[in-house]
Amino acid sequence: KQEVTQIPAALSVPEGENLVLNCSFTDSAIYNLQWFRQDPGKGLTSLLLIQSSQREQTSGRLNASLDKSSGRSTLYIAASQPGDSATYLCAALDTGRRALTFGSGTRLQVQP
Amino acid sequence: DTEVTQTPKHLVMGMTNKKSLKCEQHMGHRAMYWYKQKAKKPPELMFVYSYEKLSINESVPSRFSPECPNSSLLNLHLHALQPEDSALYLCASSQDRGHQETQYFGPGTRLLVL
Repeated sequence: KQEVTQIPAALSVPEGENLVLNCSFTDSAIYNLQWFRQDPGKGLTSLLLIQSSQREQTSGRLNASLDKSSGRSTLYIAASQPGDSATYLCAALDTGRRALTFGSGTRLQVQP
Repeated sequence: DTEVTQTPKHLVMGMTNKKSLKCEQHMGHRAMYWYKQKAKKPPELMFVYSYEKLSINESVPSRFSPECPNSSLLNLHLHALQPEDSALYLCASSQDRGHQETQYFGPGTRLLVL
């Protein structure tokens, strides 16, 4: 059964810092790895999707990488802003079952 | 339109009530999902519908009954719930295209069972 782990569980940084969020997964038989953002009490917003054959994806200040062989993904946020404060979730889409397995998330607080 | 809508936004119900959660998407997606999210926990899959047929049931108690009347609608019927069922219920949809698949999530229904 797929297990997804995220480190750190919480992170507080001053505005302007570059930061890295880590995600690891146990089963490399995945279609893709996705990163989501969730604001308190809200639904999930898709940030980036990396297909299993890809190494990285970029969107604005966000860059996500995938190393399927080692079961790891990272989300890099450049020049962080207070508006980036949220919980960031990674999720793996297994080839066996067509549903996402989520990590427990990293709660990010960017201080002005 | 990349929106998944859910109604109601909030729901309070007693343990003897019957209620339904509704989810709608107009993106032509053929897969729809129900997830349950407890406070400070990640979403956990409950059900998956693919082409209007139930394809995954993650051993969810029968007091939760999903229904997919057509390709755009997904319901979750609730009956005789327990207080521990209080959570955020998220609906999602996707094109069901494997490696390119992105799931789009609705804002959720926050359920409180008294």
